[in-house]
Amino acid sequence: AQSVTQLDSQVPVFEEAPVELRCNYSSSVSVYLFWYVQYPNQGLQLLLKYLSGSTLVESINGFEAEFNKSQTSFHLRKPSVHISDTAEYFCAVSEMDSSYKLIFGSGTRLLVRP
Amino acid sequence: ETGVTQTPRHLVMGMTNKKSLKCEQHLGHNAMYWYKQSAKKPLELMFVYNFKEQTENNSVPSRFSPECPNSSHLFLHLHTLQPEDSALYLCASSQVSSALYEQYFGPGTRLTVT
Repeated sequence: AQSVTQLDSQVPVFEEAPVELRCNYSSSVSVYLFWYVQYPNQGLQLLLKYLSGSTLVESINGFEAEFNKSQTSFHLRKPSVHISDTAEYFCAVSEMDSSYKLIFGSGTRLLVRP
Repeated sequence: ETGVTQTPRHLVMGMTNKKSLKCEQHLGHNAMYWYKQSAKKPLELMFVYNFKEQTENNSVPSRFSPECPNSSHLFLHLHTLQPEDSALYLCASSQVSSALYEQYFGPGTRLTVT
């Protein structure tokens, strides 16, 4: 069965520092991978996704994630964070034969301090 | 209105009440979802409707009753809830037949059962 693990429930970091949010998944078949972000009092917004092709995917606001099949990971990184990046980040996976169904991790709260 | 809207945004109800949550998507999608988001737990997929037909029910208690009258509207009818049902209920939609695979989320209804 699919599962997604986000080991860090909270990651505090200073503004302009780099950050990595970890995500590992388990699945017996090929998968699609997603990162969603949730700002306070809002729903989830898609940040970036891996479907196929290049294993490094980027978002428009400077985040990137790399799909590593051998390590079954899809870690999210940003070289320099802003206060406005403070939010909850969710990693999610769907299997290619049931792509409508997303399995989410428990989330990582990124807290950016001045 | 654009995207996915949910009403009400906040709801407090007693265990003997009956209430309904409403979701509307303005994206022309053909699949809609209900998720439950509890503190410190992964998002739990509750129900999936694909072309107005329920295709997924993840062992949700019968006190939660979904209704999908058309591809744009989704309801969650609530009755005789328990305090542990207090959570953020998120609605999402997607276009199942497309290659995009991403789900678009509403802002959620914060439910408190007293």
